[in-house]
Amino acid sequence: AQKITQTQPGMFVQEKEAVTLDCTYDTSDQSYGLFWYKQPSSGEMIFLIYQGSYDEQNATEGRYSLNFQKARKSANLVISASQLGDSAMYFCAMRFNNAGNNRKLIWGLGTSLAVNP
Amino acid sequence: EAQVTQNPRYLITVTGKKLTVTCSQNMNHEYMSWYRQDPGLGLRQIYYSMNVEVTDKGDVPEGYKVSRKEKRNFPLILESPSPNQTSLYFCASSLLYGPGANVLTFGAGSRLTVL
Repeated sequence: AQKITQTQPGMFVQEKEAVTLDCTYDTSDQSYGLFWYKQPSSGEMIFLIYQGSYDEQNATEGRYSLNFQKARKSANLVISASQLGDSAMYFCAMRFNNAGNNRKLIWGLGTSLAVNP
Repeated sequence: EAQVTQNPRYLITVTGKKLTVTCSQNMNHEYMSWYRQDPGLGLRQIYYSMNVEVTDKGDVPEGYKVSRKEKRNFPLILESPSPNQTSLYFCASSLLYGPGANVLTFGAGSRLTVL
């Protein structure tokens, strides 16, 4: 079954330090995409970063990078130089490219990150 | 500003009273979708649409209807809401082709409570 697992319900990090949020996935498909979204307390869902299964280099977007280890089926999010505004829920999600035109994402249950001053 | 707009953001209603949550996007996206978010269950897809007049069921379509009469709008209709439809609802959209097709843009969410 296709599944996303985020094993850390909650994480704490000191301001200005780096933090890694874990994500593992389960699929037998070869073509898929991996996403991370941020949900602050206000509730909106904000796209952070994307990695395609055939991309050889890890994706980076500003302070966000995705540590993609295909053989281990993991797609961890690394946030460098944490800021107070990074405190939020973080969701890992996956889309299967053989799903036709349905851009459905399969979601993990999220990790709550708290950045301490 | 490119965005997905949902209304209402918050709604408390009673069982059986029909309601519509509107969704509108200004990015000329072909694809639109509705999700619901529940504690312990994560986000689950309700319905999706690949273009005008083309809609299909997601994973949890029971109790919901949608329509896509215009490209920019994708309303979610609850004909007879029940308490188990109390949830946080998200509308999302994306292009179907091209580089932007990888990213779903979400609305701000609509928190619905059915008493």
